[in-house]
Amino acid sequence: ETGVTQSPTHLIKTRGQQVTLRCSSQSGHNTVSWYQQALGQGPQFIFQYYREEENGRGNFPPRFSGLQFPNYSSELNVNALELDDSALYLCATGTDSYNEQFFGPGTRLTVL
Amino acid sequence: AQSVTQPDIHITVSEGASLELRCNYSYGATPYLFWYVQSPGQGLQLLLKYFSGDTLVQGIKGFEAEFKRSQSSFNLRKPSVHWSDAAEYFCAVGYTGGGNKLTFGTGTQLKVEL
Repeated sequence: ETGVTQSPTHLIKTRGQQVTLRCSSQSGHNTVSWYQQALGQGPQFIFQYYREEENGRGNFPPRFSGLQFPNYSSELNVNALELDDSALYLCATGTDSYNEQFFGPGTRLTVL
Repeated sequence: AQSVTQPDIHITVSEGASLELRCNYSYGATPYLFWYVQSPGQGLQLLLKYFSGDTLVQGIKGFEAEFKRSQSSFNLRKPSVHWSDAAEYFCAVGYTGGGNKLTFGTGTQLKVEL
């Protein structure tokens, strides 16, 4: 109902590999935020993109990077995967207002 | 920096009983406060939010929350719990000028006994 989709649903990678996760929102959503949710924890803010530029970053290393495209889609890239990167990755899209922000169902990443 | 504390990791209630989930926040100014629910394998669904005004906020699925500035709290309540309410509940805080970045608590897992 929210119109926010994420792909893939699940992903298994090995340590040292690179991964790209995707998020697609509905028309009019000019912000996208990415969160990492480790097992048993609350989501942790990775970064936010606004009008295709990074607009705020949490306590994550540079090997976490992102892109936002004009067609309202977004990517989260993680290089040199570590075991601790295993988590549910959530994207949230909306306007630059707390009044409208919708979460996608998430991508479950497992790093072996 | 803002932070959120959810002191109860697990709560078990009987169906039909009342529920209160606790949330305390730390932030210097007036925060924006949210409660989300997450079912297994699902993303986050917004239950309710507080920005300003009336401190008692009504949400979906019969939930409400009360903002108490003096206690830095935003507890979630429901008068009668249904088995379908079993899920994980997250309190989150945002702030003026924060875009729409949220800081989440660690969550409270709710179990409902039939």
